[in-house]
Amino acid sequence: GQNIDQPTEMTATEGAIVQINCTYQTSGFNGLFWYQQHAGEAPTFLSYNVLDGLEEKGRFSSFLSRSKGYSYLLLKELQMKDSASYLCAVMDSNYQLIWGAGTKLIIKP
Amino acid sequence: IAGITQAPTSQILAAGRRMTLRCTQDMRHNAMYWYRQDLGLGLRLIHYSNTAGTTGKGEVPDGYSVSRANTDDFPLTLASAVPSQTSVYFCASSSQAAGSYNEQFFGPGTRLTVL
Repeated sequence: GQNIDQPTEMTATEGAIVQINCTYQTSGFNGLFWYQQHAGEAPTFLSYNVLDGLEEKGRFSSFLSRSKGYSYLLLKELQMKDSASYLCAVMDSNYQLIWGAGTKLIIKP
Repeated sequence: IAGITQAPTSQILAAGRRMTLRCTQDMRHNAMYWYRQDLGLGLRLIHYSNTAGTTGKGEVPDGYSVSRANTDDFPLTLASAVPSQTSVYFCASSSQAAGSYNEQFFGPGTRLTVL
């Protein structure tokens, strides 16, 4: 079967760094996506990895290891507005996205 | 219109009633998708369309139907609503153009309650 695992909830302090992990088992791999979803809103695209390594975009970075079926999203210099759910999704061999349940990130002052 | 719109924003529906959720995009994207999002679960694909005139079944298609008469519109119909269809429904689209990430862009969602 296809499976995406990520922690249900994490808490971090404003100004700190947090790493959200995602492990996956899918039928085929055509890239891994991270989305941000604020409560009551739609998911919005954050990052895409298809090759191993780190992709950096401002305060957010995303890492992929295809051999380990593993990715993480790194958020630096946390701000209160970063309080949201972070969704990991893998594009499978049919080019469909398989979604994790999301990690709710709580930022404390 | 900018991006993807969905209507209605929210709806309370009696079980057994028929309901159509509307979705329109103005980005000329080829592919469109319908998801449902339930607490504690990931987004689950209901139906998709890779191009106008074609549709396909996703992970949870039972009780739902779709049509794709043109590029912009992708309505989702519940023929006879049941309480287990209470959920937040998101429509999404992607360009599937060469060189793109194929990232999906989401509408604001429809919160549906079936009583």
